[in-house]
Order: sequence, then structure tokens, then C-alpha cells
Amino acid sequence: RKEVEQDPGPFNVPEGATVAFNCTYSNSASQSFFWYRQDCRKEPKLLMSVYSSGNEDGRFTAQLNRASQYISLLIRDSKLSDSATYLCVVILTGGGNKLTFGTGTQLKVEL
Amino acid sequence: DTAVSQTPKYLVTQMGNDKSIKCEQNLGHDTMYWYKQDSKKFLKIMFSYNNKELIINETVPNRFSPKSPDKAHLNLHINSLELGDSAVYFCASGTGTLNTEAFFGQGTRLTVV
Repeated sequence: RKEVEQDPGPFNVPEGATVAFNCTYSNSASQSFFWYRQDCRKEPKLLMSVYSSGNEDGRFTAQLNRASQYISLLIRDSKLSDSATYLCVVILTGGGNKLTFGTGTQLKVEL
Repeated sequence: DTAVSQTPKYLVTQMGNDKSIKCEQNLGHDTMYWYKQDSKKFLKIMFSYNNKELIINETVPNRFSPKSPDKAHLNLHINSLELGDSAVYFCASGTGTLNTEAFFGQGTRLTVV
């Protein structure tokens, strides 16, 4: 079983739609959680951190459920420019605090 | 100013050759990483260094040898390249603490023919 799992998609949605991505992680000792965004043939970049209480950044909302070992990302009012791959990232304490990536979920926002 | 820079951006080479990828960061971070992104786009950590010391060495063939001459640089040398080594290699840096962002270089697209 992969340490961090995501539905690879693609999710094809019309502009203005609301779309949600989910991610599950296997190690209950995971301490930090993030969503990264990767555009085609580019490097990953941090989209937002995910906090236990849930957090929002403009049209983006992230939620964490430690009991179910589950992270989500909600995008409201999708824009064409949101088309990218969204990567769920988990950090375990110890062992160098390595970032463990999910396989990514591809989003395509269409006119 | 580029925060994390890798060279070269593209590398095409024949099987059996030895090649190096260089990485430099000007963010003052203590921790640097090498990640490999395969054809299925899965990003997998290979190595992590903290202040020139190897911290993480995932299950990577010993043909891959990282070198960190100082905390701002982490180079990756690959011996006897194989077809399966074709991938995009990303260097990244961070503070190494739990809640901070990792910054990635633009990637090196390695093609072994």
C-alpha cells in the first residue's frame, strides 16, 4: 500500500465548478500535511499547508481528519488557470522529516 | 534570483555513461533533497542532506551518489546509466523542520538512450 494515496483523475470540470480532491495516508505518526501544485513540465510548488482545524486561502479550503487519516482540498469557482496536478504531501517526524508525495490528482478546468 | 537552481535542464545520454546533475540553493536552508519523478509522475525521495550530512538514503542503487560540498550545494552523480534511469530529477531545499515549505528546482529531464 502506498504511503499517500490519491485518485489520479483526471477531473474534468467546467469553469466555475466546485471540485474536491481527497488523499489518504497510511502512517498515523504523520505530523505535517500540505497540498502542492504541479503544472505540466514544471516543478511542484506549495499551494497551502493543512491544519487540524481546517484552513482556507481564497477559493481553496483544506481539511484534515486525523482519525480517518484523510486530507481534502476543495476548490470553489474553478478557473482555467487551476488546471494542474495537485499533490498531497505528508511529513513524518524523524528520519530527516522527508516529504512523502501522493501520486497526484490531475485537474482540467474547461470552458 | 533563482532560489533553487539545477543544471542541466535537459540531459540526453547513452546507456553506460556517467553523468552529474548540479544543484544550488541561495535560500540559506540547511536541508536539501533529491527526488525522482518517473513516467507516471510519481515523486519519490532519493536522498536528503542536512548541513552536508546524509540523513535519508532511500532504496536507491549505489550507482547514484550524492555529494554535498557545502550546505548550499547538493550534486547527484550517476554511474553506468540505465534506460530505467530516465526520469525528471528534482532538487529541493527546506529548513528541515516540520511545517515549512520545500522549494524545488526546475528539474532535470534525463533521457537515457
